[in-house]
Amino acid sequence: GDSVTQMEGPVTLSEEAFLTINCTYTATGYPSLFWYVQYPGEGLQLLLKATKADDKGSNKGFEATYRKETTSFHLEKGSVQVSDSAVYFCALSPPGDTDKLIFGTGTRLQVFP
Amino acid sequence: DADVTQTPRNRITKTGKRIMLECSQTKGHDRMYWYRQDPGLGLRLIYYSFDVKDINKGEISDGYSVSRQAQAKFSLSLESAIPNQTALYFCATSDFGRTGSYEQYFGPGTRLTVT
Repeated sequence: GDSVTQMEGPVTLSEEAFLTINCTYTATGYPSLFWYVQYPGEGLQLLLKATKADDKGSNKGFEATYRKETTSFHLEKGSVQVSDSAVYFCALSPPGDTDKLIFGTGTRLQVFP
Repeated sequence: DADVTQTPRNRITKTGKRIMLECSQTKGHDRMYWYRQDPGLGLRLIYYSFDVKDINKGEISDGYSVSRQAQAKFSLSLESAIPNQTALYFCATSDFGRTGSYEQYFGPGTRLTVT
């Protein structure tokens, strides 16, 4: 079945460091891909999305590119801030079944000043 | 005020008890969802509803039931709670049926502990 694999955390960085959180997926066809972020004590909120191959999603300095050839959707940010500390979830929505979100296990990011 | 609210935010209950978690939304969205979050497992879909008369099972519906009392309200019930239902439960909404937008909007979560 369809699935999402994320790198395990926590990821610990100093402020202004470069961030990469790896995400790969298994799915038939062309799913839509998402990154959600969960700040402490809150629900998830959509960070960015890409709905077709080679699309780049971006928001708040974060970027991710839909790579069909490597079935990946890695999250990157050039310079992280303490306020970026959160749990990041990669997710996919299967083609033709757009109401279903299949989540990865989440990656906790901790940024220290 | 929050667009998606959940009550209660925290609940401790005993094995065998019936419990209801409630979700309300003011976003006017047609679709609503219930997920549970477990450490190391991410979020898994329990039930989802396209509208008041259309309710569907998700990946892990056994042991749960739902009720869509109105477009804005979607409740999750555990008929006889068991300890492995201890988890963080999230309600979410989307406007996909009207706008085609994939984004789901999540409530703040209910932390349920079954002893």
